[in-house]
Amino acid sequence: AQTVTQSQPEMSVQEAETVTLSCTYDTSESNYYLFWYKQPPSRQMILVIRQEAYKQQNATENRFSVNFQKAAKSFSLKISDSQLGDTAMYFCALGADKLIFGTGTRLQVFP
Amino acid sequence: SQTIHQWPATLVQPVGSPLSLECTVEGTSNPNLYWYRQAAGRGLQLLFYSVGIGQISSEVPQNLSASRPQDRQFILSSKKLLLSDSGFYLCAWSGGSSVTASTQYFGPGTRLTVL
Repeated sequence: AQTVTQSQPEMSVQEAETVTLSCTYDTSESNYYLFWYKQPPSRQMILVIRQEAYKQQNATENRFSVNFQKAAKSFSLKISDSQLGDTAMYFCALGADKLIFGTGTRLQVFP
Repeated sequence: SQTIHQWPATLVQPVGSPLSLECTVEGTSNPNLYWYRQAAGRGLQLLFYSVGIGQISSEVPQNLSASRPQDRQFILSSKKLLLSDSGFYLCAWSGGSSVTASTQYFGPGTRLTVL
């Protein structure tokens, strides 16, 4: 079975600081993809970043970057220079035979 | 550019009543389409997905059904709603030939409350 685990239900960070959200996963597939989605209070799911498992280089998108450790099956999200608009639920997702979501981490950015 | 629409945005229905939620995608052809449900404070659960007109795969046996009458239209239905059907329903689409490899893009969602 494929699983995604987000062990941090809630996190908080001060504006302009850096925060890292953790995610571990398990799959027997050799070819898969990993995603971070953001769900603000509007509840629309927004893609933050995507990582192909066959790529060793960590993906980056502006202030968002990942630390992909394939052997450890770890996929953490780092948010640099946090902004108030980053306040949201963040979901890690594994795309193997279908897209499996973790339970989410609620991030609060304080001024 | 591609856009995805869902309606209605909010729905309150009595137990035992029927349900029809609609999702449409613009700006792409032959998308893969998905229905998810999100219970309060929980992650997303895949309900159905479709790789083409009339092709529906069900992930969870339940009170709901899905149909794809047109290439870019995906409908979620129920004949008789249960209290447990309450939740936030999200439609998503992806392009490409692989259901798993493609990034999924989500609609704004429908909040369903069954009383």
